[in-house]
Amino acid sequence: AQTVTQSQPEMSVQEAETVTLSCTYDTSESDYYLFWYKQPPSRQMILVIRQEAYKQQNATENRFSVNFQKAAKSFSLKISDSQLGDAAMYFCAYRLNAGGTSYGKLTFGQGTILTVHP
Amino acid sequence: GAGVSQTPSNKVTEKGKYVELRCDPISGHTALYWYRQSLGQGPEFLIYFQGTGAADDSGLPNDRFFAVRPEGSVSTLKIQRTERGDSAVYLCASSSTDSGNTIYFGEGSWLTVV
Repeated sequence: AQTVTQSQPEMSVQEAETVTLSCTYDTSESDYYLFWYKQPPSRQMILVIRQEAYKQQNATENRFSVNFQKAAKSFSLKISDSQLGDAAMYFCAYRLNAGGTSYGKLTFGQGTILTVHP
Repeated sequence: GAGVSQTPSNKVTEKGKYVELRCDPISGHTALYWYRQSLGQGPEFLIYFQGTGAADDSGLPNDRFFAVRPEGSVSTLKIQRTERGDSAVYLCASSSTDSGNTIYFGEGSWLTVV
C-alpha cells in the first residue's frame, strides 16, 4: 500500500520570504502522480501543483515549484515570495497512473499548517 | 456546474440517526470520489464511481455507509445509525480524462454527530 508522510505539522514564514514543505512517500510503482493541495479555512482542496513521475523536470507554477527526487521518494514544495494568502493547510498526495482512465484514488499525507507573518 | 457542489454545508445530527450528503460533480465528469477528513488529518478515500457504478468501495469503513450515483451525475452518501466517530468533513471530488485526470474537490459537508 502507498503511504505519504509529511513530517512538519506546522511551518511559518515571513511575507516575501521562501519556505519549503517536505513530503516523502512509499510506493512500489513507477508510474504515478504527485500533488500538492492547499486547503484554506473554506475547506475546499485547491490544486497547487502536479508532478508526473516519469517526467524528470520539476514542475513549476508561478511562485510554486517542487523538488522531485524519485529515487529518494521525496517531493518537497517551495513557495517563493510568500504572500498572506498562502496561509493554509498544505497536503501532499499520491495517485497511481491508471493508464489513461480517469480513475485514481488519492492517498494524502497528514498535512502541514503554513502560517505567513506580515 | 462550474465546480463541485456539496450539500448540506453543515449538518448536526443525533447519534443513531440517518443522514444523506449530496454531491453534484462538475458537468461532464464521469469519475466521482468521496473522501472523509477527520479533524487535523488528511482526507481518506471512501468510494469511487465511474459512471453509475461503484468501481472501488474499499474505503467504506463498515456497512453503515453506502453511496449511490443512479444517473451517473449526482451522488448521495448515506450513513445509517450514525455514531459520534462519524463526525468529520465529507469531501466529494470529480475528474475526467478531459480534465487531465486532475481531481477537483468541493467544499465538503461538515457532519457533527452529537
